[in-house]
Amino acid sequence: AQKITQTQPGMFVQEKEAVTLDCTYDTSDQSYGLFWYKQPSSGEMIFLIYQGSYDEQNATEGRYSLNFQKARKSANLVISASQLGDSAMYFCAMSGWDTDKLIFGTGTRLQVFP
Amino acid sequence: DVKVTQSSRYLVKRTGEKVFLECVQDMDHENMFWYRQDPGLGLRLIYFSYDVKMKEKGDIPEGYSVSREKKERFSLILESASTNQTSMYLCASSYSRQGVQPQHFGDGTRLSIL
Repeated sequence: AQKITQTQPGMFVQEKEAVTLDCTYDTSDQSYGLFWYKQPSSGEMIFLIYQGSYDEQNATEGRYSLNFQKARKSANLVISASQLGDSAMYFCAMSGWDTDKLIFGTGTRLQVFP
Repeated sequence: DVKVTQSSRYLVKRTGEKVFLECVQDMDHENMFWYRQDPGLGLRLIYFSYDVKMKEKGDIPEGYSVSREKKERFSLILESASTNQTSMYLCASSYSRQGVQPQHFGDGTRLSIL
């Protein structure tokens, strides 16, 4: 069975600083995908970044990067140059290669202060 | 851009009512999903569908049913609403089963059962 663990219920970061949100996963699949989503207080779930298990390079999307360490089964999200608008819940998720079912972690609430 | 539209942002119903939550996507996606989100539990999959008139149970299908008569529309039905179904409901869609695809979410429906 697949499992996602996010051990940080809440994080604080000062504006313009970088922050790392932790995510570890467990799966017996050889091929899988890892995702990060952002959920502002308004409720919509916004797709941020994706990493395939066979991708050798860490994924990047603008200020977001995914620090993928396959041997450690971790897929941490790094947000560089934090902005006030980054304050939100962040969810890590994964799916197997032959299914689109997503398994989510319980989320990390990030608060960016001036 | 992908657009997933949920019919209501907020909904209040009474115990025992039959409740319909509607979801429409405009990107010709094959896959559609219904989740519920509760504090501390993350997102949990209720039902999903890979094709018209096709449905599969997720992790918590009890008390729910779904309907997919057209490719773009996926409805979640609470047959006889109960107070423990008060929750945030999120609909999502993704392109296909080939490889790992990100899911794109609607804005969510906050459902209260009184």
